Amino acid sequence: AQTVTQSQPEMSVQEAETVTLSCTYDTSESDYYLFWYKQPPSRQMILVIRQEAYKQQNATENRFSVNFQKAAKSFSLKISDSQLGDAAMYFCAYRSWANSKLTFGKGITLSVRP
Amino acid sequence: EPEVTQTPSHQVTQMGQEVILHCVPISNHLYFYWYRQILGQKVEFLVSFYNNEISEKSEIFDDQFSVERPDGSNFTLKIRSTKLEDSAMYFCASSTALQENTEAFFGQGTRLTVV
Repeated sequence: AQTVTQSQPEMSVQEAETVTLSCTYDTSESDYYLFWYKQPPSRQMILVIRQEAYKQQNATENRFSVNFQKAAKSFSLKISDSQLGDAAMYFCAYRSWANSKLTFGKGITLSVRP
Repeated sequence: EPEVTQTPSHQVTQMGQEVILHCVPISNHLYFYWYRQILGQKVEFLVSFYNNEISEKSEIFDDQFSVERPDGSNFTLKIRSTKLEDSAMYFCASSTALQENTEAFFGQGTRLTVV
């Protein structure tokens, strides 16, 4: 079974600075997808960014980018120019290529200091 | 922008009672899911549903749980006899397909409180 580990329960960043959230996973599969979801206080799960394992290029979405290290099974999220609205819980998630369910990590609470 | 809609936003029920949580997935989506999140814990997969049947379920999804797509738009989660430990946020999600457009869209959740 796949597992997703987010070992940092909390992080804090100064507004306009850059922060990196860590995630590691364990799988025996070679094809899969990885995601970062944001959960603000409203509790809705919002997709931030996704990465296909077969792609070597790291995904980017505006201020959000990932560092995908397939051999190390590491998938970190970098948030540049942090904004107050980035404060939320962030979940790393894994999805098998052939299976539609998501396996989530425990999440990390990100606070942004003005 | 299309979205997944869940009702009610908050449901309080007495232990032992049946509860039905409602979801309207995005209209052209084919895969439907329920997840739950106990307060302060990670989001856990409950069940996936495709082509009018359950395609996968977790250990959490025991005989007390059932899902149904009673018409072309709704997707419901029923808990037959609620327990205190069923108190959680329940998220419905939907997606178009497995390989293409792999994003799962989540609803805003239903907070279930069992007293």
